Amino acid sequence: ETGVTQSPTHLIKTRGQQVTLRCSSQSGHNTVSWYQQALGQGPQFIFQYYREEENGRGNFPPRFSGLQFPNYSSELNVNALELDDSALYLCASSFWIYYGYTFGSGTRLTVV
Amino acid sequence: KQEVTQIPAALSVPEGENLVLNCSFTDSAIYNLQWFRQDPGKGLTSLLLIQSSQREQTSGRLNASLDKSSGRSTLYIAASQPGDSATYLCAVFTGANSKLTFGKGITLSVRP
Repeated sequence: ETGVTQSPTHLIKTRGQQVTLRCSSQSGHNTVSWYQQALGQGPQFIFQYYREEENGRGNFPPRFSGLQFPNYSSELNVNALELDDSALYLCASSFWIYYGYTFGSGTRLTVV
Repeated sequence: KQEVTQIPAALSVPEGENLVLNCSFTDSAIYNLQWFRQDPGKGLTSLLLIQSSQREQTSGRLNASLDKSSGRSTLYIAASQPGDSATYLCAVFTGANSKLTFGKGITLSVRP
């Protein structure tokens, strides 16, 4: 079975620009979550999608938005990028909470 | 609000030593707890998942315990090896907002 794959692996953007990050969930998983991890910190929850509906959101502004597609892959969109958005963005998928989450390798976003 | 604490932030041990990594959380109303490993600049690899009704889980040289009532979990690593050098994060899943709450992690260095 394939794991969680994220693209791109690295990205450099200019402040004010918009970015889209992509995630393919593990086969059979219907839930996708996104996390932001700043250097030296634990991952912070951005939001979660279950069967194409958002069913949880962390303390992130509306310029962080997402989508989940019928094949359960997902996108994270960030508008009006700020320098503090520079971080490792992690995608995780799950079939059921009792089975835990599988994480991807992340996308390293640098905003200059 | 759930808070997860991992102390100390860093640990250095000689190869072959048995060691214990600690994790504490403030709200005992959790569904499960997951231990992850993270290599520098990489994603998260799930090590062990403990359901709220379980006391411990084992995988190879790793053993994780959970005391939900006291808000504590430990990850025991037997006969540590240089390849165990990484950051170890614990995360608890609560139903509220359907999210994992992470600690900041413990960076382990195993000296040859």
